[in-house]
Amino acid sequence: DADVTQTPRNRITKTGKRIMLECSQTKGHDRMYWYRQDPGLGLRLIYYSFDVKDINKGEISDGYSVSRQAQAKFSLSLESAIPNQTALYFCATSDLSAGGNYNEQFFGPGTRLTVL
Amino acid sequence: AQSVTQPDIHITVSEGASLELRCNYSYGATPYLFWYVQSPGQGLQLLLKYFSGDTLVQGIKGFEAEFKRSQSSFNLRKPSVHWSDAAEYFCAVSTSGTYKYIFGTGTRLKVLA
Repeated sequence: DADVTQTPRNRITKTGKRIMLECSQTKGHDRMYWYRQDPGLGLRLIYYSFDVKDINKGEISDGYSVSRQAQAKFSLSLESAIPNQTALYFCATSDLSAGGNYNEQFFGPGTRLTVL
Repeated sequence: AQSVTQPDIHITVSEGASLELRCNYSYGATPYLFWYVQSPGQGLQLLLKYFSGDTLVQGIKGFEAEFKRSQSSFNLRKPSVHWSDAAEYFCAVSTSGTYKYIFGTGTRLKVLA
């Protein structure tokens, strides 16, 4: 069973549409993250959340918003999708209270988003 | 500025040959170092991690990595590559008390039969 799940796995949409990507985890971790992956650029952090009431911008948050509905759920929204948001999106979790300050992150399988 | 460099974008090796993937970092604090592998269509799987202690770290799937503070490097190695190792490999750096990973840009490994 997957510990970090993402839905949908693939999505094709049109410019200007609002899109929501969802992430759920059964690991009981308090911290959750959204990254995007682009060829040749590695993974870049969009938003992160330390708990339900704590949401923070990452390095590339423009054009995105997030919602932490519960400890286990963290959604990423594209309010008005544009073609350069075509990418592979990953959700990740971590738990600093376990094993010290190592911040090991656990990744979901990714959502491939195409904006036409 | 903090950064992680993976100088090789693509590497091709023959099955059974040895492998070394390079990772260099620039980080002011004591780093925590990670190697992840991404198989086609899959998410990222942790291969190994270094926090402290022995600088030679063993991971899953027969991989190992060596932390060399003097060279600011954390290179990934495998003595004999299998066709199933074809994937993209990411080096990442974090530090104590912080949420943040800094990822390298990845190295794509191709394995020839």
